[in-house]
Amino acid sequence: GQSLEQPSEVTAVEGAIVQINCTYQTSGFYGLSWYQQHDGGAPTFLSYNALDGLEETGRFSSFLSRSDSYGYLLLQELQMKDSASYFCAVPSNTGKLIFGQGTTLQVKP
Amino acid sequence: DAGVIQSPRHEVTEMGQEVTLRCKPISGHDYLFWYRQTMMRGLELLIYFNNNVPIDDSGMPEDRFSAKMPNASFSTLKIQPSEPRDSAVYFCASGGQGTGYGYTFGSGTRLTVV
Repeated sequence: GQSLEQPSEVTAVEGAIVQINCTYQTSGFYGLSWYQQHDGGAPTFLSYNALDGLEETGRFSSFLSRSDSYGYLLLQELQMKDSASYFCAVPSNTGKLIFGQGTTLQVKP
Repeated sequence: DAGVIQSPRHEVTEMGQEVTLRCKPISGHDYLFWYRQTMMRGLELLIYFNNNVPIDDSGMPEDRFSAKMPNASFSTLKIQPSEPRDSAVYFCASGGQGTGYGYTFGSGTRLTVV
């Protein structure tokens, strides 16, 4: 089976940097994805890591360490609009995507 | 591209009634997923299809739930009879070979069973 753990809530101030961690247990590993969901909206895809290391996309970066079964999403230069829930997710070899419980990020002025 | 289209956006129904949720995936995507989201249980995968064929329905809570995908451009999720505990937001998502695991979600259907 697959399970993921991430913190339930994180709070940070505008302009700061925040890191959202995710640890996973899977029977087979095919990468780690991150999704963002604003309140009342749909999840939207942010990033996918298949290999170890850091992937950068603008203010957002995602990191993976397969040996530690661990990844994180790094958000820099936080803006108020970044207040949302962030989900890590792992795919199976058949394409099924299983989500963590999500981390609610609150950005304060 | 209009994205993944779900209907209705909101549905309020009485316990015992049949509910049908609809989804039109992005053209060319060969995976279609149905998820349910609640505060208590988070995002749960109910069922998914590959090339219109159901691959894994182990997340379907019970026999009251059924899903079909008669063609590449349409899928339904049906609940019969509905119960108050089915109240949730139901999302449809689609993806394809070229998208990696970057699946696109529809806007969801907020279902309330009273």
